[in-house]
Amino acid sequence: QKEVEQDPGPLSVPEGAIVSLNCTYSNSAFQYFMWYRQYSRKGPELLMYTYSSGNKEDGRFTAQVDKSSKYISLFIRDSQPSDSATYLCAMSPDNYGQNFVFGPGTRLSVLP
Amino acid sequence: GAVVSQHPSRVICKSGTSVKIECRSLDFQATTMFWYRQFPKQSLMLMATSNEGSKATYEQGVEKDKFLINHASLTLSTLTVTSAHPEDSSFYICSARSLAGGETQYFGPGTRLLVL
Repeated sequence: QKEVEQDPGPLSVPEGAIVSLNCTYSNSAFQYFMWYRQYSRKGPELLMYTYSSGNKEDGRFTAQVDKSSKYISLFIRDSQPSDSATYLCAMSPDNYGQNFVFGPGTRLSVLP
Repeated sequence: GAVVSQHPSRVICKSGTSVKIECRSLDFQATTMFWYRQFPKQSLMLMATSNEGSKATYEQGVEKDKFLINHASLTLSTLTVTSAHPEDSSFYICSARSLAGGETQYFGPGTRLLVL
């Protein structure tokens, strides 16, 4: 079993839809959870960074962490074609960066 | 927000040559920089962790003599792919962690290397 599992997609949704992206993990030591967006041939861009269980909202994006279930989600409201990208979850037991583990990414296409 | 740049963005070279990739944190000081490699449709794989003024720490399976890392200042780290071969063709991405701490990594735009 991989440490971090993520459905690779591709996931296609119509413009305006609510998108739900998910990752599951097996290592209960993970305490920090991130979501990155990566456009084709570009570096990842940090979208959300959370530490505790619960929800964190930033504009159209909501990150949800459920440590008891070892499950994290990213919700995108009112999705736009510009949201089309690969979304990577990442997690770490500490904040030092050396122990980041990335999910394989989910490719999202938002159709106009 | 924190900005990390990489240069060059794309490089094509002949087999056997060496290629240097620069990673710079533009508006913050980075105690630690990380180098990743990403193959098509795959996730990022950490190659090494670079701390300013000390030797890099390489992940298992990454040849330190082939992938030379230098972190000469708090804003610059370089990755040199020595004697590159076609199998080294990949997307190389650096990231940096702020000296201020309490933050996650910020990624550069990546460098696409093609070895002919």
